[in-house]
Amino acid sequence: AQSVTQLDSQVPVFEEAPVELRCNYSSSVSVYLFWYVQYPNQGLQLLLKYLSGSTLVKGINGFEAEFNKSQTSFHLRKPSVHISDTAEYFCAVPSGGYNKLIFGAGTRLAVHP
Amino acid sequence: DAGVTQSPTHLIKTRGQQVTLRCSPISGHKSVSWYQQVLGQGPQFIFQYYEKEERGRGNFPDRFSARQFPNYSSELNVNALLLGDSALYLCASSLAGSGVGDTQYFGPGTRLTVL
Repeated sequence: AQSVTQLDSQVPVFEEAPVELRCNYSSSVSVYLFWYVQYPNQGLQLLLKYLSGSTLVKGINGFEAEFNKSQTSFHLRKPSVHISDTAEYFCAVPSGGYNKLIFGAGTRLAVHP
Repeated sequence: DAGVTQSPTHLIKTRGQQVTLRCSPISGHKSVSWYQQVLGQGPQFIFQYYEKEERGRGNFPDRFSARQFPNYSSELNVNALLLGDSALYLCASSLAGSGVGDTQYFGPGTRLTVL
């Protein structure tokens, strides 16, 4: 069965510093992976997704993620964060042959001035 | 274009009551999924509907039910509410019902509080 593990529950970082949010997946089938962001009191917004092809995926708001099959990871990175990036970030993998998404527990990114 | 819309935004109920949450998908999307997000956790899949038929069901009790209408909007019903049903209920829509890579677009959610 597919699953994802987000290794950090909270990541504090200063503004303009780089950040990496870690996600490891477990899957016995072809892998599709998603990163979503949830701003306070809002729904989820898709940041980026990996379906196939290039292992480096670029998303919105300057985020990117790298699919690493050997390490079963899909870490999210941004070279320079802004205060506005403060949010909850979720890694997700589809399961069951339909549109069911399995989400990780989330990583709270707190950007400080 | 309008995104996924949900109503109401907030809801307060007491234990034992019943609640109905509503979702309108993005125009042209035929699939609607429902998720429950308890505070501090990731969303948990409840149901998926495609072309008015249930395509998938998560590990939730029979108190939870849903349906999809001809215009592809959807309702989630929860009977006999428990304190543990307090959560943010998210609706997501997508173009198709079976593409595992199909992007799901989420609404802002309905915050349900059970007292």
